Amino acid sequence: SQQGEEDPQALSIQEGENATMNCSYKTSINNLQWYRQNSGRGLVHLILIRSNEREKHSGRLRVTLDTSKKSSSLLITASRAADTASYFCATGHNAGKSTFGDGTTLTVKP
Amino acid sequence: DADVTQTPRNRITKTGKRIMLECSQTKGHDRMYWYRQDPGLGLRLIYYSFDVKDINKGEISDGYSVSRQAQAKFSLSLESAIPNQTALYFCATSDSQSDRAYGYTFGSGTRLTVV
Repeated sequence: SQQGEEDPQALSIQEGENATMNCSYKTSINNLQWYRQNSGRGLVHLILIRSNEREKHSGRLRVTLDTSKKSSSLLITASRAADTASYFCATGHNAGKSTFGDGTTLTVKP
Repeated sequence: DADVTQTPRNRITKTGKRIMLECSQTKGHDRMYWYRQDPGLGLRLIYYSFDVKDINKGEISDGYSVSRQAQAKFSLSLESAIPNQTALYFCATSDSQSDRAYGYTFGSGTRLTVV
């Protein structure tokens, strides 16, 4: 079974609004990564947060990690139509491999 | 040129045929992975390799085999393709020295259809 589970499965917002996606996981992790996938294409790494970090920023992206709740969130501020994509979390483990969730499909309407 | 190149991009094959998907990378990464993605779902790990002499099964390795021909090349074979292996296949790489910082680099994927 998948380690990470994203919520919601689908999200539709207007351009300019913020989008928040959540990821929950079951076992201890070394890091948590967020990726973006445009329709049918390869995944692009967005941001990685280590297990000893609580918050990280990259441009319009803000990621939080709560290891006590085994959850992470990805916030995209001031969304644009070009942000329309699927977003995946992946949990990284000491074994050196990552486990992906099923993703959140984000639609940003112009 | 792409950092991680997968060939072919698309392939239609018949049930029972053997097929090989290839992956090459120019990142200089030591770790390589093969994932499968089914429609509307996340990625599931098929095989992974941490160096040329290291091959490990992932969660769904049955029906697949791999070969790490060189640090830069990692191929995936379907010994006898079946329709439920129809999926999008991704190769990914990471660097054991920096994967904690930068995550994976993915190829563009191979869309495989087994009829």
